[in-house]
Amino acid sequence: QVQLQESGPGLVKPSETLSLTCTVSGDSVSNYYWSWIRQPPGKGLEWLGYIYYTGNTKYNPSLKSRAAMSVDTSKNQFSLTLTSVTAADTAVYFCARVLRERSTVTANYFYYYMDVWGKGTSVTVSS
Amino acid sequence: SYGLTQPPSVSVSPGQTATITCSGDALPKRYAFWYQQRSGQAPVLVIYEDRKRPSGIPERFSGSSSGTVATLTITGAQVEDEADYYCYSTDSSDNNWVFGGGTKLTVL
Repeated sequence: QVQLQESGPGLVKPSETLSLTCTVSGDSVSNYYWSWIRQPPGKGLEWLGYIYYTGNTKYNPSLKSRAAMSVDTSKNQFSLTLTSVTAADTAVYFCARVLRERSTVTANYFYYYMDVWGKGTSVTVSS
Repeated sequence: SYGLTQPPSVSVSPGQTATITCSGDALPKRYAFWYQQRSGQAPVLVIYEDRKRPSGIPERFSGSSSGTVATLTITGAQVEDEADYYCYSTDSSDNNWVFGGGTKLTVL
């Protein structure tokens, strides 16, 4: 059974870079797509982006090129960096496994969704 | 940008049926997925591909989709079903993966 565990600093100063890592156990990071999602205090979920072990990525356009994701297959981990953080980046950050499924209705169409999530790690942006 | 609209809150008594809707322009062509998030915990997938239930999810959870509205139904809601529920889907170009704003379900 796959398990995900987020790790990283709980406090980051404004304008600095936030770096988080997700360690995958019970499966290989090379077998799936992986995502980061965050949740500001008292608010809803926001998808940040996904990565495949080949390095293929897609990011939420709202992040305006501040986000970058990477995969380390030797450690079975994937990571998120977010530059120039502000208080608006304060949130619980979740990593999740992404399933890529072929549509049975539309030829050559694939859809994606998150099926297993980590417990999340809280990050506060403050001086 | 693309958005999914959910009611902020739904309240039912134990044993009643809870219905949570999710509206989005791309839903006629895109699947809807539903996540349950209990207080202080990570989200859990309860419905995928509009109406399918992952193993381990009680049968009282069901999903449907018609036109631009997807619906999560909890038939005979239990106190332990009290949680926030989020729908998830993508826009028609699949460039934006979005969650609805969430619906707080109260069962009491």
